[in-house]
Amino acid sequence: AQKITQTQPGMFVQEKEAVTLDCTYDTSDPSYGLFWYKQPSSGEMIFLIYQGSYDQQNATEGRYSLNFQKARKSANLVISASQLGDSAMYFCAMREAATGRRALTFGSGTRLQVQP
Amino acid sequence: GAVVSQHPSWVICKSGTSVKIECRSLDFQATTMFWYRQFPKQSLMLMATSNEGSKATYEQGVEKDKFLINHASLTLSTLTVTSAHPEDSSFYICSARTPGGSSYNEQFFGPGTRLTVL
Repeated sequence: AQKITQTQPGMFVQEKEAVTLDCTYDTSDPSYGLFWYKQPSSGEMIFLIYQGSYDQQNATEGRYSLNFQKARKSANLVISASQLGDSAMYFCAMREAATGRRALTFGSGTRLQVQP
Repeated sequence: GAVVSQHPSWVICKSGTSVKIECRSLDFQATTMFWYRQFPKQSLMLMATSNEGSKATYEQGVEKDKFLINHASLTLSTLTVTSAHPEDSSFYICSARTPGGSSYNEQFFGPGTRLTVL
């Protein structure tokens, strides 16, 4: 079974509008962390935002916010006021604490294209 | 945040040769480093976990003898692709974990190495 599912291979958004990138996850571990990364065409992985499973509030980092719905096991990324520079691949990832595995498991990614 | 470097950033080699990729943590000591592989238009797949001073832990399906990992110091891990073939062409990314604590942002990625095997 897929640990991290991103159902949107590609998304378009108009500049200055908001966009939501979907992410659902599967785990039986009560302690886990969810991450979003941006990967531009250069290939570098840019950390955007983190949500811990015990965090009571949704994480926010500037124009990025994470809509965390624990019961539904979803962790959607919301980008407000999209900019042309936001065009990139976006990956949702998870780390589970119980396994002791410190590596991240990534979803298949969503390619976001911001149109002027 | 912490800085992780990779060298080379890209490499082109002939089939059958070996290629070494270095991953360095520049301003912190990394007891654990991770090596990922990313094929075009695909996600990052964990290849192995590299622990300083001990043998790497490989993911299922990753050939240990083909992808040699050496984590000889707290700031350097190397991945050697031995007898590379065109199917090994990929983007290889390392990440390093900062020691201790439960900081959410404890894993930092290198810029990646693009390997092309002719």
